[in-house]
Amino acid sequence: AQKVTQAQTEISVVEKEDVTLDCVYETRDTTYYLFWYKQPPSGELVFLIRRNSFDEQNEISGRYSWNFQKSTSSFNFTITASQVVDSAVYFCALSSSIDRSGGSNYKLTFGKGTLLTVNP
Amino acid sequence: SQTIHQWPATLVQPVGSPLSLECTVEGTSNPNLYWYRQAAGRGLQLLFYSVGIGQISSEVPQNLSASRPQDRQFILSSKKLLLSDSGFYLCAWKGYSNQPQHFGDGTRLSIL
Repeated sequence: AQKVTQAQTEISVVEKEDVTLDCVYETRDTTYYLFWYKQPPSGELVFLIRRNSFDEQNEISGRYSWNFQKSTSSFNFTITASQVVDSAVYFCALSSSIDRSGGSNYKLTFGKGTLLTVNP
Repeated sequence: SQTIHQWPATLVQPVGSPLSLECTVEGTSNPNLYWYRQAAGRGLQLLFYSVGIGQISSEVPQNLSASRPQDRQFILSSKKLLLSDSGFYLCAWKGYSNQPQHFGDGTRLSIL
């Protein structure tokens, strides 16, 4: 069964600090995707990144970076020089195929989320 | 560009009343469509998904049902709401290949 664990329920930092959000997953699939979503106080889920299970190259996008390590089944997310606008709940998610024929349709299993509060 | 619309944004209903939440997608065809519920405590639970018109898969046994009468329309319904149906309901769509799912703004449902 698919499982995503975000052990950090809440994190509080002061502006300009770096912060890392942890994500550990379990799957028996050989091919899968990992995602991070941001949920600001307004409630909508905003897509941040998708990572293919075959691509372990780390990725950086501005102040955001992601560290995918298949050996430890982890997909951690780091925000550098955090800002107040980064305050939100962050979700890690894991895909699983819903196609018996191996197509591209999938569903997501989400972690319980990490509430990040960045204080001025 | 593709957009997803959910309505209503907020709904307050008495126990035992019916429910109909609607989700529509624009700018794409044959999307995968999903209904999620987020109860207090933040976890997102997949309720239903659909890969085509009239094709509905249920993930958890519950008091709700879903329908897809048109390619880009996904409806979440209930004949009689329970207190436990309260929550934040999110609709999502996905296009071809392994694109990410994109979410609507959600409906906050309160049952009194």
